[in-house]
Parts: sequence; structure tokens; C-alpha cells
Amino acid sequence: GAVVSQHPSWVICKSGTSVKIECRSLDFQATTMFWYRQFPKQSLMLMATSNEGSKATYEQGVEKDKFLINHASLTLSTLTVTSAHPEDSSFYICSARFRANEKLFFGSGTQLSVL
Amino acid sequence: DAKTTQPPSMDCAEGRAANLPCNHSTISGNEYVYWYRQIHSQGPQYIIHGLKNNETNEMASLIITEDRKSSTLILPHATLRDTAVYYCIVPDRGSTLGRLYFGRGTQLTVWP
Repeated sequence: GAVVSQHPSWVICKSGTSVKIECRSLDFQATTMFWYRQFPKQSLMLMATSNEGSKATYEQGVEKDKFLINHASLTLSTLTVTSAHPEDSSFYICSARFRANEKLFFGSGTQLSVL
Repeated sequence: DAKTTQPPSMDCAEGRAANLPCNHSTISGNEYVYWYRQIHSQGPQYIIHGLKNNETNEMASLIITEDRKSSTLILPHATLRDTAVYYCIVPDRGSTLGRLYFGRGTQLTVWP
């Protein structure tokens, strides 16, 4: 099946720093990518949706200035958590899709811990 | 918001069939039903999806009722490695983005 690669797998950073997470579709062109976050023992929460070459669409309650999403190419999307704080500690997961009504492929996730 | 309802937990003996139900009573005619599973601290894994016909692949079978308001995922011979949270998902109808919202899913525990 198609592969979505997400890096890093885990990251520990100090409060106030920024962290960038990369999501790559390795063998297909991802016209749409989605970013989720997940807290322990909870379900995945959709943060934003991005189409290649256009601005991301953020879900209600997600700060777009804090969670910067770039989808500059059909194979790469990045999520930057700016000025991270301990409450941003979470499991972040990306997913990619070639086109509507096709299945999403998920990355392996990034565990972010902010000290 | 998620448009599906699943039981929070189920268990199953190893080697037996696991039948996981899902209600999606507000589904529209052209919306697919997707099933994913998530093992702890990993990204969700695609299992199967369908529109109105029953589907089968190497992992599972998907039975969709004729009115399409519910479906059942069947793992024919559950193994310990099938222990995971299983999510039944219908894409968001309200936009062209086809966003997938996850509900709470069903924690399936397979016991020896």
C-alpha cells in the first residue's frame, strides 16, 4: 500500500521553541493532507486540512498562527508548532490522500513533549 | 464532528470472528464508510472501505446494510495482534475537502 512518512517520531523541546514536523507521501501525489492531534486515551482530533498550493483550512478552535501548516508540494506538508508550551505536548499525526473518496494513508505519528 | 456511533469496547477469543458494529444513520447516498484501526502510539492503519456493496480484502470483511445506516466489520479469525481501537468513519458531507472526523472508536481486546 501507499506509504506516508512522518518525521521525527518523537521530539522533546523547551518551552518557547518552535518544532517542525514533516509529512511526506512517498509513492503517490497527495493533493490533500490532514493533520490530527491526539491526547492520551482520546481519539484523533482533526486540526487542519491542506491542499497543495493553497492555504490550510483550520478546524474551529485551532490557532492558525500557532500551528503553521505548509503544503508546498504534492509530496510534502509540514506542521510547525510555534512557541511551544507544555499544553502543546501531544501525539501529532498526518495523513494524505490522492483524491476525494479515496482512502487516507497515515503517518506513524510524532510524539511532542514540551518541557 | 464524527457521524458514527460505535460501542466503546468489545472482546473476542483468539481464533474466533470479531464482529464490530457501527451506526451511521445520517450517511448520504454517495458517502463511503471507512474503517481504520490504531494500535497504541501508532498512526491509524487502513482496513477497508465500502459504499453499498459488501467488501472483503485480506484483512477483513465489511457488511453494509441495505439502507446503509449501519455496517459491521468482521475479522474472521482474530489474533492477539488485532487488539486495537477500531474506528468507523464517514467523511464530512459539509465541504468538498472530504474531511474525516474520528469518533471514540471501539477498543477490541483479543484474549488467548
